[in-house]
Amino acid sequence: DIQMTQSPSSLSASVGDRVTITCRASQSISSYLNWYQQKPGKAPKLLIYAASSFQNGVPSRFSGSGSGTDFTLTISSLQPEDFATYYCQQSYSTGSTFGGGTKVEIK
Amino acid sequence: QVQLVESGGGLVKPGGSLRLSCAASGFTFSDYYMSWIRQAPEKGLEWVSKISSNGSTIYYADSVKGRFTISRDNSKNSLYLQMNSLRAEDTAVYYCAKEGYDRRPMDVWGKGTTVTVSS
Repeated sequence: DIQMTQSPSSLSASVGDRVTITCRASQSISSYLNWYQQKPGKAPKLLIYAASSFQNGVPSRFSGSGSGTDFTLTISSLQPEDFATYYCQQSYSTGSTFGGGTKVEIK
Repeated sequence: QVQLVESGGGLVKPGGSLRLSCAASGFTFSDYYMSWIRQAPEKGLEWVSKISSNGSTIYYADSVKGRFTISRDNSKNSLYLQMNSLRAEDTAVYYCAKEGYDRRPMDVWGKGTTVTVSS
């Protein structure tokens, strides 16, 4: 199985801050990497697919990069509605796996 | 609009069974792979199972293999998860999700249904 390791597991940031979350795969997954946002009590929402492609309606302050084993999700200027938990997911193998999540909290 | 609605969750005793359903609307259900994903209380996301568009190809996580069965009825735009021999560690919110084409992201999610396994 492909293991996905996210870091940090949590972070505190202020509105307007630039935030970067990293995700590392245990083997190369090309660009089969997706990012999701989840707010408490809600279903996850797809933000970025194929490592760097925007899902419809996602604000441009979100961006993704990387390929192979190392990936990043960047929020260029954190907004109040961005406080949530973020998950990466590999869709390279038939058994998909998620990272452990990064909780973004208000400083 | 594109929508997935899960149902069938509830409280069940260890060793019991439950069948979850997911009703799809707003897209051509028979064109897409579908998955079940679960989330235990205060935990992260865990992929459970996936089924191809015509139901001929199926995959399971090791944690549920041999106990859970995924299926679909394209004539009813519905996805199912039959869960047998349930354990306390199967307690979770279960989501169904539609899989997109490009690099297979889960691009549409239902709101989830809660399964609690407890005596």
